[in-house]
Amino acid sequence: DIQMTQSPSTLSASVGDRVTITCRASQSIDSWLVWYQQKPGKAPKLLIYRASSLETGVPSRFSGSGSGAEFTLTISSLQPDDFATYYCQQYNSYPGTFGQGTKVEIK
Amino acid sequence: QITLKESGPTLVRPTQTLTLTCTFSGFSLSTSGVGVGWIRQPPGKALEWLALIYWYDEKRYSPSLESRLTITKDTSKNQVILTMTNMDPMDTATYYCARSGYYSYYFDHWGQGALVTVSS
Repeated sequence: DIQMTQSPSTLSASVGDRVTITCRASQSIDSWLVWYQQKPGKAPKLLIYRASSLETGVPSRFSGSGSGAEFTLTISSLQPDDFATYYCQQYNSYPGTFGQGTKVEIK
Repeated sequence: QITLKESGPTLVRPTQTLTLTCTFSGFSLSTSGVGVGWIRQPPGKALEWLALIYWYDEKRYSPSLESRLTITKDTSKNQVILTMTNMDPMDTATYYCARSGYYSYYFDHWGQGALVTVSS
């Protein structure tokens, strides 16, 4: 299986901050990566697919970049609704492994 | 509007077999490019990809669980069924079903999840 490693595990930030989360794959996955947002007690929500394509309806403050084995999710100006846990997932090869998650907390 | 909903037992005894049903609407599993999969999440932990079935009945499993998993579909009922044998307390988790992206295996629409506890 391809291993996905996110950093940091927890991030403390304030409303309005620019936030960056990193996801590294144990081997190249081209651009076959998605990002999800998950709030407590809720199902994950797709934010970004193919590393940098914004899912319909997702605010433009979210952006994704990267290719190969290193990827980033950036929130340009953190909003109160963005405090959540974020997961990356690769879909280059089965199974579609997830990262361990990054929790974005209020500072 | 696309919706998915998981149903099944909330409590399973160790060694028993778990059967979960995903009932969906707003799309058809007979349409090219479509798949439905299962993902689980132990309490306080990360997501784990389990299995996926495509419109043409190809099935994919997590290698670490493949011997215990079976995924099937009933296109006429808009349902996908997951069975997991020999349940263990470590299998306690919220189990989600989700629709896969077009010709892919990430997930663009998710069910609300079903918490399954394995305990004697």
